[in-house]
This record gives sequence, C-alpha cells and structure tokens, in this order.
Amino acid sequence: KAGVTQTPRYLIKTRGQQVTLSCSPISGHRSVSWYQQTPGQGLQFLFEYFSETQRNKGNFPGRFSGRQFSNSRSEMNVSTLELGDSALYLCASSVGTANQPQHFGDGTRLSIL
Amino acid sequence: QKEVEQNSGPLSVPEGAIASLNCTYSDRGSQSFFWYRQYSGKSPELIMFIYSNGDKEDGRFTAQLNKASQYVSLLIRDSQPSDSATYLCAVSFTGTASKLTFGTGTRLQVTL
Repeated sequence: KAGVTQTPRYLIKTRGQQVTLSCSPISGHRSVSWYQQTPGQGLQFLFEYFSETQRNKGNFPGRFSGRQFSNSRSEMNVSTLELGDSALYLCASSVGTANQPQHFGDGTRLSIL
Repeated sequence: QKEVEQNSGPLSVPEGAIASLNCTYSDRGSQSFFWYRQYSGKSPELIMFIYSNGDKEDGRFTAQLNKASQYVSLLIRDSQPSDSATYLCAVSFTGTASKLTFGTGTRLQVTL
C-alpha cells in the first residue's frame, strides 16, 4: 500500500512569492492534516481537511490556506512568503474517524531567500 | 492553552538497556496518545498509539498511560543504536479528536 506522497520535496522561493504544496493521502484515508516543523517551534498544526471541508484549524495567519479535492488529495498554499515561513511542511493522513493515528509523508522543505 | 511537554534530552542509554521516555499533557479528558520516531532529516514515523483504556506492548516497545498524573511513557527494551532518534509524543485533546498536539520531542542516544 503506497504511503503519503508529498510534492515537491524541496522548494526555494523569495519573499513575497506564493507557493502551493501537494499531498496525496494513503488510499482510503479521507482526512489530511498539515503541519509546519521548525527547529524552534517543533511541529505546529496548520489545518485538517475531511471530505473536502476544513474540520480543524491551527493558529496561523490567513496567508496559509488549503483545500481538499474529491479524491482526498490536498493542497496547501502560502501567499506573500516571509523569511519565517522557511520550514519543513508535513502532511499526514488518517481514515478520519476520531482518535485514529496519522501517517506522515516525507515532507516538503521550503526555503525562503 | 492545551499543551504536551517532553524533556528535550538528550537521553543517553547504553546498548541493551531500557530507554524510558515521558510526556505530560494538560487535558485530563484526553483520549488518545501517539508516539512517533523521527530520524534526523526524515519525517515522523508512527511507532505506537494507545487510548485511555489501557497500555500496549508491541515487540520491544511498551506505551503506558498514567491518567491520574497525566503522563504517558514509552519504554524501549534492549535499546539498539538504530533507536537513536527524536521521539515525539502527540495527544488528541478533548473536543479536537482529529487534531494532534505534539510535544517538542526527546532526543534519544543509544551508545555502544
């Protein structure tokens, strides 16, 4: 069974640009969550999508947005990039019912110059 | 603010010993607890999860919950150098069952 697939693996952008990251969940998983990981803050929850609807949201500014498609694939968009957005962005999928484990993809490492 | 706390370490144990990692959480009503292992430069990998109804053993790994004191432990028996990694504790808090709150992780070093 294929795992969670994230693309691209690496991205280099400059301040002010925008970026879109993609995540394909494990087959049969309907929930996709996004996290930001930095050395200083650890893993921080961005948002979760289930059945094309945002079900949970973390404490990030509106520049961070996402969506989910009918096949459960998800995208995350960050607009007006700032230096502080440099991080590893991780996507995790689960079946979507309460208290089920999440499985992570390899992540997208975003560097802002 | 619902929180998960871990000692950052490093926790150093000799090969073959038992490594004991702990995590405290702030919400007494939490129902599910997850342990992830993260090697340097890699993404987190799920190794164990337990619910509020009991402990679990899987091979060399045991996860234990102490609800009264609000902490969860991960025991690694017969520690191997390949166990050297950062271990992340995650908790699903009451009312946010599909959202995980992570601790900052404990770095484990298994020495030869």
